[in-house]
Amino acid sequence: KAGVTQTPRYLIKTRGQQVTLSCSPISGHRSVSWYQQTPGQGLQFLFEYFSETQRNKGNFPGRFSGRQFSNSRSEMNVSTLELGDSALYLCASSLGQGANEQYFGPGTRLTVT
Amino acid sequence: AQRVTQPEKLLSVFKGAPVELKCNYSYSGSPELFWYVQYSRQRLQLLLRHISRESIKGFTADLNKGETSFHLKKPFAQEEDSAMYYCALSRMASNYQLIWGAGTKLIIKP
Repeated sequence: KAGVTQTPRYLIKTRGQQVTLSCSPISGHRSVSWYQQTPGQGLQFLFEYFSETQRNKGNFPGRFSGRQFSNSRSEMNVSTLELGDSALYLCASSLGQGANEQYFGPGTRLTVT
Repeated sequence: AQRVTQPEKLLSVFKGAPVELKCNYSYSGSPELFWYVQYSRQRLQLLLRHISRESIKGFTADLNKGETSFHLKKPFAQEEDSAMYYCALSRMASNYQLIWGAGTKLIIKP
């Protein structure tokens, strides 16, 4: 099976701009979770989508949003970018039923200047 | 509130020495706990989960409900064990959302 893919892998944006990141889960996986990873804060949960519905949400401002499509692919959007949004954004997919293993993508490295 | 605590940000041991990465949790229900590992320039991946009771790459972890701990252990560290290790708890009440610890960076010195 192909693994979780994320595009783009690297992104440089300016403060105030917006950005959309994409995640394609493993075939058959219906849950996609998004995380922000930084050296100082570690792994921070953003949100999880299951069958096109947001099922769980972390403590991030409303500038961070996401969605999931019928084929389980997911996008994450960050509006009005701030310098502090510079991070590695990871997505992970799982079957979504029960405490299943999460399979992670390689991440998108976002740099905000 | 549910919480996972990894008290050590950094752990450095010599090759061949025993390793113990600590993980403590607070959770009122029956916990499902995991250890994930991220090697340099690789994806975050599952190392082991407590219900499988497996030994992966020589690592074991025992769930101690009395002490609310799930420490990761290996009797003889190898250089390739150097990585970032995360402990995570699956929260059934929230559709099995994972609660993550802050992670421990393990460095194995030659």
